[in-house]
Amino acid sequence: EPEVTQTPSHQVTQMGQEVILRCVPISNHLYFYWYRQILGQKVEFLVSFYNNEISEKSEIFDDQFSVERPDGSNFTLKIRSTKLEDSAMYFCASSFGWGAGEQFFGPGTRLTVL
Amino acid sequence: RKEVEQDPGPFNVPEGATVAFNCTYSNSASQSFFWYRQDCRKEPKLLMSVYSSGNEDGRFTAQLNRASQYISLLIRDSKLSDSATYLCVVNMGPFSGGSNYKLTFGKGTLLTVNP
Repeated sequence: EPEVTQTPSHQVTQMGQEVILRCVPISNHLYFYWYRQILGQKVEFLVSFYNNEISEKSEIFDDQFSVERPDGSNFTLKIRSTKLEDSAMYFCASSFGWGAGEQFFGPGTRLTVL
Repeated sequence: RKEVEQDPGPFNVPEGATVAFNCTYSNSASQSFFWYRQDCRKEPKLLMSVYSSGNEDGRFTAQLNRASQYISLLIRDSKLSDSATYLCVVNMGPFSGGSNYKLTFGKGTLLTVNP
């Protein structure tokens, strides 16, 4: 069964450092997403991406965040200067279509900012 | 009113019990509705979509009441493996042009099924 993969599974970084979280969506999917979940809180939407551009972003997704699909298979989330409050689980998801189509989630990257 | 609100739980039930989860959503223009389950420190996984006519998948039954903006999930004959957090998820689209949908999650209700 095809699945979304994410690397690394756990990333520890110092405050102020840049991190890049990587995702490989399901190969025939066209829509890509990042969500985050702070420990003990709900899953929150960050950004959606289609046709090599951002479709929608939340208020969390400020200038410190960026996304890229550099090579047609990977989908990355970059945080330029990490803050303590960026510590969370980051989930990548993909879907074939828009609308009511199911979004498939990757296993997540746990980001710890010290 | 929160966008998606669920019973706070937690629920502790014996094996074989019937469990009901309730959820309300604030945006009457919401288009699609889902129940996901999330095991501890894992990703959300789709359990089932929810349709206006109601739908059933084995021991699981989901219902939607658009007038009341209410979604429910019923688990019959609960198993130990049903222990997880159940997430009510709403797609609050549509959006115009080429935008695609985002999912809005409730905080989840933790279920523990005991032997």
